[in-house]
Amino acid sequence: QTVVTQEPSLTVSPGGTVTLTCASSTGAVTSDYSPNWFQQKPGQAPRSLIYSTSNKHSWTPARFSGSLLGGKAALTLSGVQPEDEADYYCLLHYADARVFGGGTKLTVL
Amino acid sequence: QVQLVQSGAEVKTPGASLKLSCKASEYTFTSHFVHWVRQAPGQGLEWLGRIDPRGDHTFYGQRFQGRVTMTRDTSTSTVYMVLSSLRSEDTAVYYCIREVMSNFDYWGQGTLVTVSS
Repeated sequence: QTVVTQEPSLTVSPGGTVTLTCASSTGAVTSDYSPNWFQQKPGQAPRSLIYSTSNKHSWTPARFSGSLLGGKAALTLSGVQPEDEADYYCLLHYADARVFGGGTKLTVL
Repeated sequence: QVQLVQSGAEVKTPGASLKLSCKASEYTFTSHFVHWVRQAPGQGLEWLGRIDPRGDHTFYGQRFQGRVTMTRDTSTSTVYMVLSSLRSEDTAVYYCIREVMSNFDYWGQGTLVTVSS
């Protein structure tokens, strides 16, 4: 059973920078895993932020960026805003299967 | 504007089956996979499987094999998911999602399913 691991929670100050990571139990995450990142606010459906490691949608704020870092997928928020407080999920592709990480609860304080 | 519109909330008893629908619009239905994902109350996202609407090919998560079936109707651009032998742990919000070249871009609004005796 493949497990994708994220930090359960992180706290960041407004205006600060924070990096969320996404690790695979199978080994280093590469671009072949096509990492996706999603944001979910209470009572809402998740919203896609990043796909294929680092690609943004037209609706993705510029302060969000995706990358590979130390064998993990990473989502970096630079210049964090209060409205960025949310749950963040990564998704990795394993051939035909897809596996979500457990999610990171980001608190802006 | 791409839309995925899901069927309404359901209440089921343990052991019953569930059939959800997801109607796609404003894109070529057969060009992109549709996935199903669920989220139990207060929990994270869990992938159930996907269907290729072009050829009706499916791939299911290991946990759900034997209990989930995904089908599609190209005449109405609708994807269906049947989950059988329901138990209380299946209580969740179920989402359908379009995938375009590794990009889970558009999500349905979600369907709340409650399994309770």
